[in-house]
Amino acid sequence: GQNIDQPTEMTATEGAIVQINCTYQTSGFNGLFWYQQHAGEAPTFLSYNVLDGLEEKGRFSSFLSRSKGYSYLLLKELQMKDSASYLCAVRDESGGSYIPTFGRGTSLIVHP
Amino acid sequence: ETGVTQTPRHLVMGMTNKKSLKCEQHLGHNAMYWYKQSAKKPLELMFVYNFKEQTENNSVPSRFSPECPNSSHLFLHLHTLQPEDSALYLCASSQDPDRETTYEQYFGPGTRLTVT
Repeated sequence: GQNIDQPTEMTATEGAIVQINCTYQTSGFNGLFWYQQHAGEAPTFLSYNVLDGLEEKGRFSSFLSRSKGYSYLLLKELQMKDSASYLCAVRDESGGSYIPTFGRGTSLIVHP
Repeated sequence: ETGVTQTPRHLVMGMTNKKSLKCEQHLGHNAMYWYKQSAKKPLELMFVYNFKEQTENNSVPSRFSPECPNSSHLFLHLHTLQPEDSALYLCASSQDPDRETTYEQYFGPGTRLTVT
């Protein structure tokens, strides 16, 4: 199975940049997802990485290094509405399933 | 609007009650999932249905009983629950998870369950 680790909580200032890290250990890595979940709401898809490198999507970017078992989500020009939990999920094909396993999530608090 | 709806949004039930959670997806997906989300813990996958067939059951106690009458609807029947079963129950759907293609899951807003 996977061992996925994310910081529990982070704080940042409006307008700043924040990087949320995710490390994992798998035997058959086949993709990593980032989801955003506001309090009391459904998780929503942010990004997917399967190859090494940076994927940019507006203010959000996601990076992957398969050799290091490491990903990060970069949020630029932070806004108050970015306060949410950010979930890292890893897909491991070694068990024959392509269903991702989720980490505990990182709660991001953005201050004015 | 995510295309996945869940009812009820909140549910309080005693340990001897029987209740059901309902999920419906309007996205034309083939796979549906039940997850349990507890505070400070990762999302826990409970059940997976693909083309109406149950493909995964992650050692979930029998007091939770899923039902998938068609690819658009998913139920979770609850009976004789314990207080530790209090959590947010999330439904999700996606394209076929058995293919090696990029897909993401679409989640419903969840049912906040409290067992007293």
